[in-house]
Amino acid sequence: GQQVMQIPQYQHVQEGEDFTTYCNSSTTLSNIQWYKQRPGGHPVFLIQLVKSGEVKKQKRLTFQFGEAKKNSSLHITATQTTDVGTYFCFKGNFGNEKLTFGTGTRLTIIP
Amino acid sequence: ETGVTQSPTHLIKTRGQQVTLRCSSQSGHNTVSWYQQALGQGPQFIFQYYREEENGRGNFPPRFSGLQFPNYSSELNVNALELDDSALYLCASSSNLGVSNEQFFGPGTRLTVL
Repeated sequence: GQQVMQIPQYQHVQEGEDFTTYCNSSTTLSNIQWYKQRPGGHPVFLIQLVKSGEVKKQKRLTFQFGEAKKNSSLHITATQTTDVGTYFCFKGNFGNEKLTFGTGTRLTIIP
Repeated sequence: ETGVTQSPTHLIKTRGQQVTLRCSSQSGHNTVSWYQQALGQGPQFIFQYYREEENGRGNFPPRFSGLQFPNYSSELNVNALELDDSALYLCASSSNLGVSNEQFFGPGTRLTVL
């Protein structure tokens, strides 16, 4: 099936360190979205990337879409305790392909 | 808050029973997607409804069925419940079809099957 793998599965960092999660698809993506899910919460939309090689920034978060549109990354600079949660990439054009979440990367912060 | 509501919040059923979960989409949104999230796992796509029609389905058996109403609210029905159906059920609403768009998730319904 259409798999979307993320690495690492878990990441523990000291507060203030950087964090990166990588998302890889077995097929070329028309676009990719990123969501954050806090413990006990629901997924919250962060961003959508559409263009090959696209880079978008939101404060300390940097999102990249690979040139081949098969991979993406999320980088957080100087993590804070509020960054705790699981980060999912997500793919799917409504009606055209199955909506698929990546396997997720769970981030924990050591104060 | 996303404006997407789900009911009930929690539910306990026994094997073989049937359950109906409800979702009210955000105002102006015509598309609702349902997901199943087992503990410690990512959400798995069940199906999507657009303007009252099923518009895509994941790898779930036919005992998972749904409806969307004229006001775009939606129901998820699960028949013949199995223990593995225990999970958080999330609905998400969005506004466009054909262009992948931001999904707004509800708080979920936690279903426990005993």
